[in-house]
Amino acid sequence: GESVGLHLPTLSVQEGDNSIINCAYSNSASDYFIWYKQESGKGPQFIIDIRSNMDKRQGQRVTVLLNKTVKHLSLQIAATQPGDSAVYFCAEKEESNDYKLSFGAGTTVTVRA
Amino acid sequence: GAVVSQHPSWVICKSGTSVKIECRSLDFQATTMFWYRQFPKQSLMLMATSNEGSKATYEQGVEKDKFLINHASLTLSTLTVTSAHPEDSSFYICSASRTGGGGQPQHFGDGTRLSIL
Repeated sequence: GESVGLHLPTLSVQEGDNSIINCAYSNSASDYFIWYKQESGKGPQFIIDIRSNMDKRQGQRVTVLLNKTVKHLSLQIAATQPGDSAVYFCAEKEESNDYKLSFGAGTTVTVRA
Repeated sequence: GAVVSQHPSWVICKSGTSVKIECRSLDFQATTMFWYRQFPKQSLMLMATSNEGSKATYEQGVEKDKFLINHASLTLSTLTVTSAHPEDSSFYICSASRTGGGGQPQHFGDGTRLSIL
């Protein structure tokens, strides 16, 4: 079946540098995408979302880019901090599918001091 | 922001015990809640969709008689793992969206770590 996936399972980044986490999705009917951050032993925490009628959305220190042509989603974190170390998941939602989320495999981000 | 509370956060019990996990939306109403299961170093797998006032919808391969879901109010859903066995040990997470839109993000509880001895 179609699913959301991530290109890289791990990412090591120097504190202060920018991070880019990538995600590929295969369901062309998905119309809503979300990035979540999950710290050890906790539930996923909402970071930012984007609808399919947009290609970029910015939040505080984070930017999500959506390229529907190649079915690619990315999360950019500016000035990465130690507290950004976590597993990041992209998720997609299809309105016609009872709004269920499909999660990617996750990227583990480790920030080096 | 939206808050989802899950209780208990950690359970250890003997094989054959039934365990109930509660999921509450604290500051918003949720007609739909979702239950996920997550194994170590893996992604979240949707188990079922909990619908207020009606039967839950289970994903393929999830035993509805094993994982009983009750969504009796707009702010509470419960998951009961019946006659739990060691293979049921996992991290169970619930989520909820504000009523009224697929364009609303799901907000997650902090999960319940279930360990069956």
